[in-house]
Amino acid sequence: ETGVTQTPRHLVMGMTNKKSLKCEQHLGHNAMYWYKQSAKKPLELMFVYSLEERVENNSVPSRFSPECPNSSHLFLHLHTLQPEDSALYLCASSPFGALQETQYFGPGTRLLVL
Amino acid sequence: AQSVTQLDSHVSVSEGTPVLLRCNYSSSYSPSLFWYVQHPNKGLQLLLKYTSAATLVKGINGFEAEFKKSETSFHLTKPSAHMSDAAEYFCVVTPYNQGGKLIFGQGTELSVKP
Repeated sequence: ETGVTQTPRHLVMGMTNKKSLKCEQHLGHNAMYWYKQSAKKPLELMFVYSLEERVENNSVPSRFSPECPNSSHLFLHLHTLQPEDSALYLCASSPFGALQETQYFGPGTRLLVL
Repeated sequence: AQSVTQLDSHVSVSEGTPVLLRCNYSSSYSPSLFWYVQHPNKGLQLLLKYTSAATLVKGINGFEAEFKKSETSFHLTKPSAHMSDAAEYFCVVTPYNQGGKLIFGQGTELSVKP
């Protein structure tokens, strides 16, 4: 296993619900990432955190709200999602967020929005 | 702008025969290139990476890739496929000046027939 865990593994929610995805890394890394993996599309980087500060936000709608309380934990808070937000959400970590670093991925949370 | 194109969305081989997964990149500068593998219901795992050292890169599970600047290619090969190689494979580029940002190809699904 990669040392990056994600919960829950599966989530079904209605468009008016509020839910949160959790990611935890046990690798001592300082950078963490959220990706969205939709069918037939390349993985899309959503957010990057380095030392608990957000360093990248790729024009993600405000209905997705990340939180990084410490270097080991990353959350993605969800509210008023749309059906097109259904996807696999992957969390990853790397030592510093620097060039050429390997990113270590969790197994993902498969989200279905009804 | 940097980009990566995987030329085949699906490749099917017989067990024991060679594997070739094709990837072309576009980059203004010398990029870092990666191959990741994703098995069903698992997160992505790094197979190998090129970081401007040797152009022939050896990875895990018998895979290797050759960086060819003149052809802007980074094809993934394996001499003999195993059933456990069946998975989705992603070619990834990191822009040289944007550490931590991975740009993914669309993926190639590899099927291995007995």
